[in-house]
Amino acid sequence: EAGVTQFPSHSVIEKGQTVTLRCDPISGHDNLYWYRRVMGKEIKFLLHFVKESKQDESGMPNNRFLAERTGGTYSTLKVQPAELEDSGVYFCASSGTSPETQYFGPGTRLLVL
Amino acid sequence: RKEVEQDPGPFNVPEGATVAFNCTYSNSASQSFFWYRQDCRKEPKLLMSVYSSGNEDGRFTAQLNRASQYISLLIRDSKLSDSATYLCVVKGLRGGGNKLTFGTGTQLKVEL
Repeated sequence: EAGVTQFPSHSVIEKGQTVTLRCDPISGHDNLYWYRRVMGKEIKFLLHFVKESKQDESGMPNNRFLAERTGGTYSTLKVQPAELEDSGVYFCASSGTSPETQYFGPGTRLLVL
Repeated sequence: RKEVEQDPGPFNVPEGATVAFNCTYSNSASQSFFWYRQDCRKEPKLLMSVYSSGNEDGRFTAQLNRASQYISLLIRDSKLSDSATYLCVVKGLRGGGNKLTFGTGTQLKVEL
């Protein structure tokens, strides 16, 4: 069974540009999560989808971040416009309903210059 | 104060040593507790869940003390391949549903 996949693995952009990250969860997992680790800090929750609905978006830092999960399958996280402090590793995770173990993707390393 | 606190290490230990990691969490209403392992530049992977009764998986033993809001991980007979960052993770902190709250991680280096 394929695990969580994320694309791209790395992205280097200039401040003010737009970047879109993609996550494909494990097939059949209704729950999809986005997390972020910025340099020197702990991994922090961004938001949680159940199918196509946003269950919890309390961790989204500001309105420059937009997450979507149309059709309840893959998800995208768009950062527009990107700022220097957005640099970090963006992880996606997915889980089923029972058990609810969250399985993480390999992450997208974003560098904003 | 961080919601989940860990000693960042690094812990440098010889092969075969026993090493213990500790973690505290801030909210007594937290629901579930885990240890994740993260190798350098890789994603976190679940090592084990942590239960109040304590649980063991081979060389790894995890303990939870709800009264003290304290979680521990013991690794016996450490191997070179145990070198990684160990993340203490809490779910349901402050009624946060499925959201995972991570500690900063404790780095372990097992040496010959």
